[in-house]
Amino acid sequence: GAVVSQHPSRVICKSGTSVKIECRSLDFQATTMFWYRQFPKQSLMLMATSNEGSKATYEQGVEKDKFLINHASLTLSTLTVTSAHPEDSSFYICSVMGSTDTQYFGPGTRLTVL
Amino acid sequence: SQQGEEDPQALSIQEGENATMNCSYKTSINNLQWYRQNSGRGLVHLILIRSNEREKHSGRLRVTLDTSKKSSSLLITASRAADTASYFCANNNAGNMLTFGGGTRLMVKP
Repeated sequence: GAVVSQHPSRVICKSGTSVKIECRSLDFQATTMFWYRQFPKQSLMLMATSNEGSKATYEQGVEKDKFLINHASLTLSTLTVTSAHPEDSSFYICSVMGSTDTQYFGPGTRLTVL
Repeated sequence: SQQGEEDPQALSIQEGENATMNCSYKTSINNLQWYRQNSGRGLVHLILIRSNEREKHSGRLRVTLDTSKKSSSLLITASRAADTASYFCANNNAGNMLTFGGGTRLMVKP
């Protein structure tokens, strides 16, 4: 399966700052990546579908101007949380769509906004 | 994406026992997948069962699918302490998007 990395694994920032999270597909060319958010002891909620070379598709209730997604290459998608607030503190996970209907997940990024 | 439901939400068993987790979903599906998540980590794909399949095995894992009831179950046999994790089902419908269930937190006591 595809190997997916995320950077950083953990970030703490002050309220009002922006944070960029990278998702890399290390051994697979990914035209489609997904971004999820997971609050403690809850399930994953899909935030958006990231498409290489085009605009991301956001799920209902997810602000596209707050969560900026850029998928400029087949191996990299970035999620920028703009003007972060404490309620944005969460575990952000990306995934890559593989060739057999399976998604391969990154290790996640723990964001804490003070 | 609307979540499916999983039960139980939490399960505690002794090593060597079997663990059964159930999942229900709401829409028609192409396939249903089970994932495992260790605390604070990403998800690991365990097994995929297609809508025209009823049962699938992989090592100590057995998955069933009942499309008439829109439900699936994951059985882990002869559980080990290392199986302690959260387990999520996810159904795959149009567009290859996954809709995750609420998850079952499994604790296997040595």
